[in-house]
Amino acid sequence: DTAVSQTPKYLVTQMGNDKSIKCEQNLGHDTMYWYKQDSKKFLKIMFSYNNKELIINETVPNRFSPKSPDKAHLNLHINSLELGDSAVYFCASSRGPRTTSRSGELFFGEGSRLTVL
Amino acid sequence: KNQVEQSPQSLIILEGKNCTLQCNYTVSPFSNLRWYKQDTGRGPVSLTIMTFSENTKSNGRYTATLDADTKQSSLHITASQLSDSASYICVVSAGKTSYDKVIFGPGTSLSVIP
Repeated sequence: DTAVSQTPKYLVTQMGNDKSIKCEQNLGHDTMYWYKQDSKKFLKIMFSYNNKELIINETVPNRFSPKSPDKAHLNLHINSLELGDSAVYFCASSRGPRTTSRSGELFFGEGSRLTVL
Repeated sequence: KNQVEQSPQSLIILEGKNCTLQCNYTVSPFSNLRWYKQDTGRGPVSLTIMTFSENTKSNGRYTATLDADTKQSSLHITASQLSDSASYICVVSAGKTSYDKVIFGPGTSLSVIP
């Protein structure tokens, strides 16, 4: 059973297109995240939702719009894709938003590699 | 500025040898430090967590140490195996507000060769 699953795993598209990545977790966690891992392998937080409520919204272009229909799902929609959006996008979840506690361990999905041509 | 640095950037060792990866951080207020292992093409997986009062934690062949005074941590891998080839990421949590800050290091890429 996959704990955090995201689809698609690979996505190749043209500049200017709109695309979505879906994420689901079956761990019963309250908090979900989207991270971007660029070519230098740095992981950067983009968004975080706690019980469907947006709690972290880092400096991300408004072409990126997350949606959480319920606490087990967090999707990412990207409008007007640009070359610089090419990266691996990771969905993650944690028991709660308090990463300072032991329950703050992050559980990551396998990643979705987006390539914009 | 909250920052996590790791060294070396990459490392190649022979199977069966030991190695030590370093992490330095300037994060305040410090809460905890985790080491994650990221296999190629996979998501990171947590190896250990240490809080301010803990200075060593083991997980099988992995032993992490923390010196909160010098703000340094190390991850020691004993008797390395080919499956240890991965990126090892040091992650520091800061803050005592409702929603905390998590700062990721750039990772150390480890290659274990036969």
